[in-house]
Amino acid sequence: GDSVTQMEGPVTLSEEAFLTINCTYTATGYPSLFWYVQYPGEGLQLLLKATKADDKGSNKGFEATYRKETTSFHLEKGSVQVSDSAVYFCALSDDSGAGSYQLTFGKGTKLSVIP
Amino acid sequence: GAVVSQHPSRVICKSGTSVKIECRSLDFQATTMFWYRQFPKQSLMLMATSNEGSKATYEQGVEKDKFLINHASLTLSTLTVTSAHPEDSSFYICSARAVTSSYEQYFGPGTRLTVT
Repeated sequence: GDSVTQMEGPVTLSEEAFLTINCTYTATGYPSLFWYVQYPGEGLQLLLKATKADDKGSNKGFEATYRKETTSFHLEKGSVQVSDSAVYFCALSDDSGAGSYQLTFGKGTKLSVIP
Repeated sequence: GAVVSQHPSRVICKSGTSVKIECRSLDFQATTMFWYRQFPKQSLMLMATSNEGSKATYEQGVEKDKFLINHASLTLSTLTVTSAHPEDSSFYICSARAVTSSYEQYFGPGTRLTVT
């Protein structure tokens, strides 16, 4: 079945540091890939997405490129801010055959950015 | 746009009682709604998928008689935890997929259930 593996946290960075959170996946079909962010006490929000190989998703300074050859979708940001402190989830959506497009999530990576 | 609400946000109930959690899509019609469970410091575990007007599809290991799901309209789905036990204490999250979208899900803020 489908699965998503992302780097274990927690990750602690100083403000303005470079961020990389690794994510790799296995899927039987041609999935769409997502990064979701969960701020403390809130629900998940879609951060960015990519629907086909070589697509780059970007939002709020975050980027991730859909790499089919390495089955990866690593999240990067050049300069993190304290407000980026949150839990980040990598996910994929694959049509299971019933048109349901269920999401499969990684375990989440907690990021803490200190001033 | 694309707002999903959940009610209540927090609930405490006694062991043996039932609790109903509502999930509403506020500004769009949702073909499909999903219910997840999130344990502390862990990922979201899909419990079931519900399509409006039909029976929910439960994931393996999820008791359908314990976690009753009703998707009565294109904007409302409910999850009822029946005969709750302390091990049912968790964070329950719903998401909704719009009629117009094939893959994007919009998430509710979650409901913290504590069973005493």
